[in-house]
Amino acid sequence: EAQVTQNPRYLITVTGKKLTVTCSQNMNHEYMSWYRQDPGLGLRQIYYSMNVEVTDKGDVPEGYKVSRKEKRNFPLILESPSPNQTSLYFCASMMGLGHLHFGNGTRLTVT
Amino acid sequence: QQQVKQSPQSLIVQKGGISIINCAYENTAFDYFPWYQQFPGKGPALLIAIRPDVSEKKEGRFTISFNKSAKQFSLHIMDSQPGDSATYFCAARTISFNDYKLSFGAGTTVTVRA
Repeated sequence: EAQVTQNPRYLITVTGKKLTVTCSQNMNHEYMSWYRQDPGLGLRQIYYSMNVEVTDKGDVPEGYKVSRKEKRNFPLILESPSPNQTSLYFCASMMGLGHLHFGNGTRLTVT
Repeated sequence: QQQVKQSPQSLIVQKGGISIINCAYENTAFDYFPWYQQFPGKGPALLIAIRPDVSEKKEGRFTISFNKSAKQFSLHIMDSQPGDSATYFCAARTISFNDYKLSFGAGTTVTVRA
């Protein structure tokens, strides 16, 4: 089944404790992206990657890092999480100029 | 600053009624306008999309109306069903060399009452 898989689905952590949210897609898509979803703000792009070893900042990159060492994986790294990063996170992928395929989300709570 | 303004934030409609969600934009570089549907606990999924050279697109009970001069587009859900209860996001795309950006509206939560 073609899909974007995020792990974990739920994560509760404390301020300052580094964490990584993994994202993997099995559709051989070149483009991958991370979004955060907050009430009243919709989906805001954090980082995106047009292809392997190419990453760029989205609209809200502060406090986040990404890497794209291979086509299928695009992990999101929070080096020192803060409470304002409590949110619902989505990874997405796309082939060419098609539409985005989203994962089922990771709900992160930072206390 | 949101590049795509979406309204209303939420709406309630009776089964069989019409749901209407509106979006507006300013950036004339947008070249593609998709709508995504999101159920609780799931990621958004493409519902329907339109290009700015078309004024209307219909897929089943879902219709996009596009007004290029007013820079507005809307989603109409005809004969709304309880299974349509979800959050809907409008979006708009820009493309430049080696770059692609999709800007989303804030979302509309639709509740269809049986």
